[in-house]
Amino acid sequence: DAGITQSPRHKVTETGTPVTLRCHQTENHRYMYWYRQDPGHGLRLIHYSYGVKDTDKGEVSDGYSVSRSKTEDFLLTLESATSSQTSVYFCAISRREGTYNEQFFGPGTRLTVL
Amino acid sequence: KQEVTQIPAALSVPEGENLVLNCSFTDSAIYNLQWFRQDPGKGLTSLLLIQSSQREQTSGRLNASLDKSSGRSTLYIAASQPGDSATYLCAVTSGNQFYFGTGTSLTVIP
Repeated sequence: DAGITQSPRHKVTETGTPVTLRCHQTENHRYMYWYRQDPGHGLRLIHYSYGVKDTDKGEVSDGYSVSRSKTEDFLLTLESATSSQTSVYFCAISRREGTYNEQFFGPGTRLTVL
Repeated sequence: KQEVTQIPAALSVPEGENLVLNCSFTDSAIYNLQWFRQDPGKGLTSLLLIQSSQREQTSGRLNASLDKSSGRSTLYIAASQPGDSATYLCAVTSGNQFYFGTGTSLTVIP
């Protein structure tokens, strides 16, 4: 357990509304990630962060933005939710030492966009 | 772009059997390979990590091997139990990013 929590754990929202998901870690890791998991696609990287205010896009970043104002919190925002963003969202951190890079995941947020 | 494949997508075995799960990747320039377990409706739990300089890692009944030159890893589960039923995913690390397979769904029948 790497001390990762996600909130909310479940959310139902309507198309066109903004949604923010929060990831919180207690171990002060520099790298944090947001993924979505969908049947048939596996885990796909949305955005990641390599420090406070330092973020980069992943494979499926369109329609998503992120912010990291504190080491412990990484926020994912859907500016205007669409039905195609219905998914399970996972936050992860990685423990790194040189090339050793082990990833740990939060419990996930199930988002439904109606 | 790195592509990770896990075959088969699903596997069903009787309790007590030893089994092997497979993971293949297209680009051998990796730092690590990590195996995860995912139970339905849950997050991913890290099982084993093999660094690129290593050939294998063991944890209890689990043994993971890595052959970078052929782009393959295997996860060996000894004496399978019903509690091992879950989806098993592998991921390779290249630079700052992780690339995941779509997993093998394992069912161990009592």
